Amino acid sequence: EAQVTQNPRYLITVTGKKLTVTCSQNMNHEYMSWYRQDPGLGLRQIYYSMNVEVTDKGDVPEGYKVSRKEKRNFPLILESPSPNQTSLYFCASSFTKGGGYGYTFGSGTRLTVV
Amino acid sequence: KQEVTQIPAALSVPEGENLVLNCSFTDSAIYNLQWFRQDPGKGLTSLLLIQSSQREQTSGRLNASLDKSSGRSTLYIAASQPGDSATYLCAVGGSNYKLTFGKGTLLTVNP
Repeated sequence: EAQVTQNPRYLITVTGKKLTVTCSQNMNHEYMSWYRQDPGLGLRQIYYSMNVEVTDKGDVPEGYKVSRKEKRNFPLILESPSPNQTSLYFCASSFTKGGGYGYTFGSGTRLTVV
Repeated sequence: KQEVTQIPAALSVPEGENLVLNCSFTDSAIYNLQWFRQDPGKGLTSLLLIQSSQREQTSGRLNASLDKSSGRSTLYIAASQPGDSATYLCAVGGSNYKLTFGKGTLLTVNP
């Protein structure tokens, strides 16, 4: 089944403790992206990657890092989490060839930083 | 900077009613527009994808239209059912494959 898999689904952590949220897709998509969703603010893009070793900042990159060493994986790294990073996180992927593209989203990771 | 607005923010209808959700965007230079459904605390399910060269797409009881020149899209749901209750999100695809989302319409269909 074509899908984007995020892990973990739920995570509670303490301020300052480094964590990684994994994202993997099995559709051979070039493009991958991370979004966060907050009440009243909607979904906002954190980082994106056009292909292996090519990443760039989205609208709210502060406090996050990403890497794209393999085409299928795009982990989101919080080096020193803070309470304002408590949010619902989504990973998404898309093909890019042909001009038209549609996104597939993961099921989300609910992160709480205390 | 692209901005996407969805009206209404919330909508409550009786079962069986036909309804329209609205989405507007400020920059008409888009690649596509995608409608998603989100159930509480869950992920996003893609409903319809309209390429910039298309005017509408249909899937079952759903029909989405796109008017790039006026910066508008509508999602039409026919014969609504309680199972349609969810938040509906409109997202516009722009340069660098970025999606810009509206804040959604919370739909409640009452039995």
